[in-house]
Amino acid sequence: AQKVTQAQTEISVVEKEDVTLDCVYETRDTTYYLFWYKQPPSGELVFLIRRNSFDEQNEISGRYSWNFQKSTSSFNFTITASQVVDSAVYFCALGGGGSTLGRLYFGRGTQLTVWP
Amino acid sequence: GAGVSQSPSNKVTEKGKDVELRCDPISGHTALYWYRQSLGQGLEFLIYFQGNSAPDKSGLPSDRFSAERTGGSVSTLTIQRTQQEDSAVYLCASSFEPGRQETQYFGPGTRLLVL
Repeated sequence: AQKVTQAQTEISVVEKEDVTLDCVYETRDTTYYLFWYKQPPSGELVFLIRRNSFDEQNEISGRYSWNFQKSTSSFNFTITASQVVDSAVYFCALGGGGSTLGRLYFGRGTQLTVWP
Repeated sequence: GAGVSQSPSNKVTEKGKDVELRCDPISGHTALYWYRQSLGQGLEFLIYFQGNSAPDKSGLPSDRFSAERTGGSVSTLTIQRTQQEDSAVYLCASSFEPGRQETQYFGPGTRLLVL
């Protein structure tokens, strides 16, 4: 079965702090895909990044970085020097193959609040 | 270019009434998905249309829910005899044909409140 766990329900930080959002996944698929989405107060889910299971290269994009580790089934997301505009709910999602191709399995989300 | 659009933005209805929610995917995207977001259940997959293939309806919670996609573009999600537990945000997403798992881009959602 596909499952995504985001153990952190809420995180509060002060502006300029670094913050890491955790994501642990479960799947029996040998090929799978991992995603992070951001949901600001406006409600729309905004795509941030996608990772394929066969590509463990970590990525940095501006203040964002992602750490994908198959050995621990984790796909963590770090925001460096956080800003108030980063306040949102962040979702980790898993997409697989086979009979579940197409659908995404989402974690419950982590509410990040960045205080000025 | 234009993103996924959904209408209406908000819908208030009375228990027992039918509702229709509309989704316009990104131009050129052949796959379309419906999800539901509620406080109790989080984000749940409902249904997925891929090109001309039969849709994957395995996520629909009951036979009161149905969806269709006309002309490979616009989709309508219909909820018959609405119940209060149907109150949620209904999100639509689209992607390129997922021969492999393609990135899904989401619309702003329709907030449904059943009184």
